[in-house]
Amino acid sequence: DIQMTQSPASLSASLGETVTIECRASEDIYNGLAWYQQKPGKSPQLLIYNANSLHTGVPSRFSGSGSGTQYSLKINSLQSEDVASYFCQQYYDYPDTFGAGTKLELK
Amino acid sequence: EVQLQQSGAELVKPGASVKLSCKTSGYTFSNYYMSWLKQMPGQNIEWIGNIYGGNGGTGYNQKFKGKATLTVDKSSSTAYMDLSSLTSEDSAVYFCARVYYDGTYYYGVMDAWGQGASVTVSS
Repeated sequence: DIQMTQSPASLSASLGETVTIECRASEDIYNGLAWYQQKPGKSPQLLIYNANSLHTGVPSRFSGSGSGTQYSLKINSLQSEDVASYFCQQYYDYPDTFGAGTKLELK
Repeated sequence: EVQLQQSGAELVKPGASVKLSCKTSGYTFSNYYMSWLKQMPGQNIEWIGNIYGGNGGTGYNQKFKGKATLTVDKSSSTAYMDLSSLTSEDSAVYFCARVYYDGTYYYGVMDAWGQGASVTVSS
């Protein structure tokens, strides 16, 4: 199985700040990478797919980039409603595998 | 509005089985795949498998073969997951989630999720 290593595990940032979360795959996943947001007690919500495609309805302050084995999620101008956990998913190869998640808090 | 409504929390004894349901509305069930996922506190989400609403065709994570069985009832637009021979390692929250389809391509990502169903295995 492809291993997804996500960093950092936790992150504290101020309102208006830009934050970046990264995922590294154990092999090339050819942009088969998605990002999700999960708030406590809630279901995950799709943010980004195909490494850099913004899902319908997702605010444009979220963006994804990367290629090969290295991918990142950037949140511009952090808002209070962005406090959540974020995790990546590779779907290039079966079985789909997920990163361990990044917990984003307000400083 | 797309909705996936999962069945409630389950408390089951070791060795028993449980059947979780995921009733859908707001879209054409038979045109989409449904994935099932496992989330345990402090651990990575695991993809269990998926099933096509049109014909019940399935794909499983090798790790969950023999543990999980996915089925659908097209008449009620409902997906089901049977979990068998339960142990404490099966205690988790289980999600059903629709696989994203833009009308042309199926992407291996999930664009709508159920609320999750907690399964606790305890004697």
